[in-house]
Amino acid sequence: GENVEQHPSTLSVQEGDSAVIKCTYSDSASNYFPWYKQELGKRPQLIIDIRSNVGEKKDQRIAVTLNKTAKHFSLHITETQPEDSAVYFCAASMRDSNYQLIWGAGTKLIIKP
Amino acid sequence: GAGVSQSPRYKVTKRGQDVALRCDPISGHVSLYWYRQALGQGPEFLTYFNYEAQQDKSGLPNDRFSAERPEGSISTLTIQRTEQRDSAMYRCASSLGGTGGGGYTFGSGTRLTVV
Repeated sequence: GENVEQHPSTLSVQEGDSAVIKCTYSDSASNYFPWYKQELGKRPQLIIDIRSNVGEKKDQRIAVTLNKTAKHFSLHITETQPEDSAVYFCAASMRDSNYQLIWGAGTKLIIKP
Repeated sequence: GAGVSQSPRYKVTKRGQDVALRCDPISGHVSLYWYRQALGQGPEFLTYFNYEAQQDKSGLPNDRFSAERPEGSISTLTIQRTEQRDSAMYRCASSLGGTGGGGYTFGSGTRLTVV
């Protein structure tokens, strides 16, 4: 079955710098890759997603890149701000399994003022 | 509704009692998922439904846990004879499923405390 690994587990960056979180997946049939942000005490919220027919997707300060050959995808946050501090989860799924998500373990992002 | 609604928000119960957690998904969402989340951990899959059919219950920890979605909308997760180790945040999520895409919307969760 699918397995998703996420690195690093904790990431501390200076406000204004960029942050990159990486995930790898094992099943080449996976074709949908969402990223969720969970602030302390709140629910996970979808912030960006990418499908396997696309290599990169951007939404303002956040972007996701996908390398299907290497089976990894990354979240990029530029010009980080204090409100970006949260735990970020990647996930992988496939249409054939009705998009049941296989989750990464999460990355705690700390933005230092 | 506009979002995924879960009730109650908080539940404190005595060990050995049964509890029922309710999830009302976004209208029209085919798929409904139950997760458990410990503090500082990622979501732990419990079970999911497409319409009223339970597709996968492999994540349910033991036979004290059960879930239903009889009319393909509201779902109930029931825990019988609760134990202290059942204490956690229980989250429900829904999605369009199938050809509608994979994005989940999570509810606010039910914080269960077994004393």
